[in-house]
Parts: sequence; structure tokens; C-alpha cells
Amino acid sequence: SQQGEEDPQALSIQEGENATMNCSYKTSINNLQWYRQNSGRGLVHLILIRSNEREKHSGRLRVTLDTSKKSSSLLITASRAADTASYFCATDAFTGGFKTIFGAGTRLFVKA
Amino acid sequence: GAGVSQSPSNKVTEKGKDVELRCDPISGHTALYWYRQSLGQGLEFLIYFQGNSAPDKSGLPSDRFSAERTGGSVSTLTIQRTQQEDSAVYLCASIWGSSYNEQFFGPGTRLTVL
Repeated sequence: SQQGEEDPQALSIQEGENATMNCSYKTSINNLQWYRQNSGRGLVHLILIRSNEREKHSGRLRVTLDTSKKSSSLLITASRAADTASYFCATDAFTGGFKTIFGAGTRLFVKA
Repeated sequence: GAGVSQSPSNKVTEKGKDVELRCDPISGHTALYWYRQSLGQGLEFLIYFQGNSAPDKSGLPSDRFSAERTGGSVSTLTIQRTQQEDSAVYLCASIWGSSYNEQFFGPGTRLTVL
């Protein structure tokens, strides 16, 4: 089973609206990262939040982390058509050694 | 500076043939991951190299898959006797320092097994 699981699997909104994506995980973490992927190729790092942080901002991105609920959310404010992409959360898991595990992703479609 | 590069960008092969995929990480990055991504799916962890430590091979799906990292830099992922289910995009990422840090991804190699 996935260490990180995103919700919803797909999201369609109008340009200018806010988009919220959620990530749940199972084991204790050191940090949680969000990545973006366009067109099924390389991922781009968006933001990293450490386990002792509760909220972090970067431009139109806002990430929250609730370690008691083992969940995180990514909020994109004032969305643009160019935000259309897949978004993945990634957490560190100890599964025979520390490594980063990605969730299945949320596919966001922003309509112009 | 140069990012992570992967070659080839696309590879079409026949079932049963062997393929080699190459990853050139960012210079100085000590850790390197290989992932596999099927169409519309998430990233499936394959293997993780950290410095001179023994690699974590726990994600390799079968003994047809192997990877090496020469001189702590370039890595090759080899798939022997390819099967149609091996068709996917293979992504490489390098990291400075520990596995907890930001990963820098290459553009991937799209493998199609006919």
C-alpha cells in the first residue's frame, strides 16, 4: 500500500478558483514534499515541509502538515490554466532503509 | 548549471531484448533514485543509491532488473529479456545529501516494449 495517498485523484476547477489537494500517510516522517509533473515526464519540486512545521507558503502555494492526523494539504490560490498538471506528495518512509515514497498523485485541470 | 539528464529519451524494443537506460545526475549529488511510472499512475520506487553504501534494491520488480552507479556518478538501469509490462517512463532523480532533501528529476526515458 502507498505511504502517501493523494485525494482527490482528479480535480477540475475554473481559472481563478482555489485548488486543494490532500495527502495522507501511514508512518512517521522527517519531512513531506510536494511535486508537480507536466505531461508525464520529470517532476519539479514545489515545497518541502519538515515534521516540526505546521504551515509553509511559497507564492500562491500554501502547504499544511498535521502530524497527529498524518496528513498534509496543498492549496493553490487563484489558479491559472498553466497550473494544470499532476501533483504528488512524497514522504520519507523506513521500509528496510530510509527512502522517499511518492503517492499516486492528484490530476488537476484548470479551465480557462 | 546542468540538471539531471537521461538517455535515451525514448526507446522502442522488442520483447525479449535487453535495454540499458542511463542517468547523469547533477555533479556533487550523493544520492540517486530510479523510479518507474506507468501511464496515469504514480511513481514506483525501484532502487536508491546513497554515497558508497550498498544500494536499496527493494523496489526492483524482478531479477531481470539491475542497476549500477559507477564512480558515485552516472547510473545505468538494465532490464534483461524485456516484457510488454515493462513499458513505462523510467525516471531518475538525484539529491544532494540525505534522502530527505529535494529531488531533482531528469526528463525520463519512455520505454516501449513491442
